[in-house]
Amino acid sequence: DAGVTQSPTHLIKTRGQQVTLRCSPISGHKSVSWYQQVLGQGPQFIFQYYEKEERGRGNFPDRFSARQFPNYSSELNVNALLLGDSALYLCASSLVGRDTDTQYFGPGTRLTVL
Amino acid sequence: GNSVTQMEGPVTLSEEAFLTINCTYTATGYPSLFWYVQYPGEGLQLLLKATKADDKGSNKGFEATYRKETTSFHLEKGSVQVSDSAVYFCAPGGSQGNLIFGKGTKLSVKP
Repeated sequence: DAGVTQSPTHLIKTRGQQVTLRCSPISGHKSVSWYQQVLGQGPQFIFQYYEKEERGRGNFPDRFSARQFPNYSSELNVNALLLGDSALYLCASSLVGRDTDTQYFGPGTRLTVL
Repeated sequence: GNSVTQMEGPVTLSEEAFLTINCTYTATGYPSLFWYVQYPGEGLQLLLKATKADDKGSNKGFEATYRKETTSFHLEKGSVQVSDSAVYFCAPGGSQGNLIFGKGTKLSVKP
């Protein structure tokens, strides 16, 4: 079975631009979470979606938004990019997003903001 | 909210040495606990998990026991290999079904 897939792999944007990152979960998984990993740090939680509804949100500004589609894939949007948004963006899928569920991570999208 | 404190690295060991990476957490209730590993240039992989007190998670020779009384989930391996060189993350579950990651501990194993 295919794992979690993310696109694109790498992305270079300039300050003020907008970006959309995409994620496809493992088949059968209904929950998707997004994390931001700045170089040298652990991943920080951005959003969790389950059955197309936002279930949780981390401490990120409103410039960050996401949605989940009927096929359970997800998009993360970031508006008005700042230099500090440069990071590895990780998507993780799990069965239903419970505390006990294992989250399986994709390879990430490396975003560079110039 | 829940939080985690993880042993700072880097940790450098010789092959076949014993490994311990300390992890303590603060939480409301009893969250599930996870260790993830990130090999150079790769994504995060689940190493092991424990979902209730006194559970022991194990995988690839690594072990960690859910200690409710000390709120700890220390990672151990009896004999490390060069291939174990990676960054290790301790992660308790959060209140939103998310994971709360520590800063990570970089392990380097020398032959």
